[in-house]
Amino acid sequence: EVQLVQSGAEVKKPGESLRISCKGSGYTFTTHWIAWVRQMPGKGLESIGIIYPGDSDTRYSPSFQGQVTISADKSINTAYLQWSSLKASDSAMYYCARQEPAHGRASDVWGLGTLVTVSS
Amino acid sequence: SYELTQPPSVSVSPGQTARITCSADALPQQYACWYQQKPGRTPVLVIYKDSERPSGIPERFSGSSSGTTVTLTISGVQAEDEADYYCQSEHSSGTYWVFGGGTKLTVL
Repeated sequence: EVQLVQSGAEVKKPGESLRISCKGSGYTFTTHWIAWVRQMPGKGLESIGIIYPGDSDTRYSPSFQGQVTISADKSINTAYLQWSSLKASDSAMYYCARQEPAHGRASDVWGLGTLVTVSS
Repeated sequence: SYELTQPPSVSVSPGQTARITCSADALPQQYACWYQQKPGRTPVLVIYKDSERPSGIPERFSGSSSGTTVTLTISGVQAEDEADYYCQSEHSSGTYWVFGGGTKLTVL
């Protein structure tokens, strides 16, 4: 079964750093882009960026460039999303999703999400 | 920046046809896909490559494209189709993806 398993919910203070993870299984991790998506409370889906674990080619949406870092460790089939200094406005649900080449790179498998709460 | 525009809401009665549009602000656009998200749930892919349906998605879901607008059509809407629907496409530069703002489908 193709799965993306995300790390658990986080509660952090403003200014702290954070890295959340997304582990793929049941498919060839290195040949599928992984997308990160933000959903703020009561709001829509926003594309953060994508990474190709095979060679770590990473691309960011303009709104998120410089705000977060996306990385991957193909040896353990895991992608990461990290912040160096969190803000309250980073509080949101964060999803990772697999982009399927055969589907025009639409995201056919999603993780359950990691809820990040940033509060003093 | 590249934007996809959806109507905030669409309402239909059960058994009717719902159409949700997604308009791009630039030509030409790449393939689009559609996701369904129910409250508290993870998004589910319902249409890819403008009009293809993943396995397991009911036939009443279909997609089409004309110019810079793609449309998700749900024929014979059922109560269970009530959800938020998002279109998504890739910027022509290939550097990033964009979601539409989402459309709340209400089944009256």
